[in-house]
Amino acid sequence: AQKITQTQPGMFVQEKEAVTLDCTYDTSDQSYGLFWYKQPSSGEMIFLIYQGSYDEQNATEGRYSLNFQKARKSANLVISASQLGDSAMYFCAMRGGSGTGNQFYFGTGTSLTVIP
Amino acid sequence: DSGVTQTPKHLITATGQRVTLRCSPRSGDLSVYWYQQSLDQGLQFLIHYYNGEERAKGNILERFSAQQFPDLHSELNLSSLELGDSALYFCASSAGGWPFDEQFFGPGTRLTVL
Repeated sequence: AQKITQTQPGMFVQEKEAVTLDCTYDTSDQSYGLFWYKQPSSGEMIFLIYQGSYDEQNATEGRYSLNFQKARKSANLVISASQLGDSAMYFCAMRGGSGTGNQFYFGTGTSLTVIP
Repeated sequence: DSGVTQTPKHLITATGQRVTLRCSPRSGDLSVYWYQQSLDQGLQFLIHYYNGEERAKGNILERFSAQQFPDLHSELNLSSLELGDSALYFCASSAGGWPFDEQFFGPGTRLTVL
C-alpha cells in the first residue's frame, strides 16, 4: 500500500531561520514523483517543489529545497530564511506509477508557524 | 489567481440530494484532477482526466462520478449525499505529464451537507 507520513502536526520557527518538514513515503513502485504543496489560511493549494525518484540531485526552488534520501524513503522539505508569509499548512504528496494507477497520495500535513 | 475556475464557491444542501461541481481549467491545460479535503479524511485524490479520458482513479465513492467535456471543463457529480460528504472539493489543472505534472489548483467548492 502506498503511504505518505508526516509526523509533525505543528512546527514553529523563528523568522529568518531554516526549518525542515519531515516526510516519509512507502511505495513498491520504481518510478514515482514526490511533491510538496503549501496551503495558506486562505485555502488555496500552491505547488512548491518536485523530486523524481530517478533524480540524482536534490530539487531546489528558491528558498525551498527537498532533501531526498531514496534508501530511507524520505523527502524532507527545507525552507531557508523563513518569512512570516511561510506560515501555512504544508503537504507532502507522492504520485505512484502504473503499478498503483498513477494516483496521488497526500500526507496529513504540517502546520508551520513563523514567529517574528 | 491560478487561472482555474470552480463554481460554485459554496454549496449548502441536504442529505440525499445530488449536486454538480464545475471546474474550468487554465487555458491550454488538458488535465483535470479532483480532490476532496475534509477534517477527518485529509486531502484525498479522487480522479484524473486527460483530454476527456479518465487516467487515474483514487478514493472516489460509487455515489460520485466525474467527466471531462470536449471543451476540457470538468464536472464532479455527487449523489445521495451524506453528512460525511461535507468537505472542500478542489479541482486542479495541468498540462499533463508523468510523473511530474505541476498542478494549478482552483479556489475550491465548499460543500456543506445538512
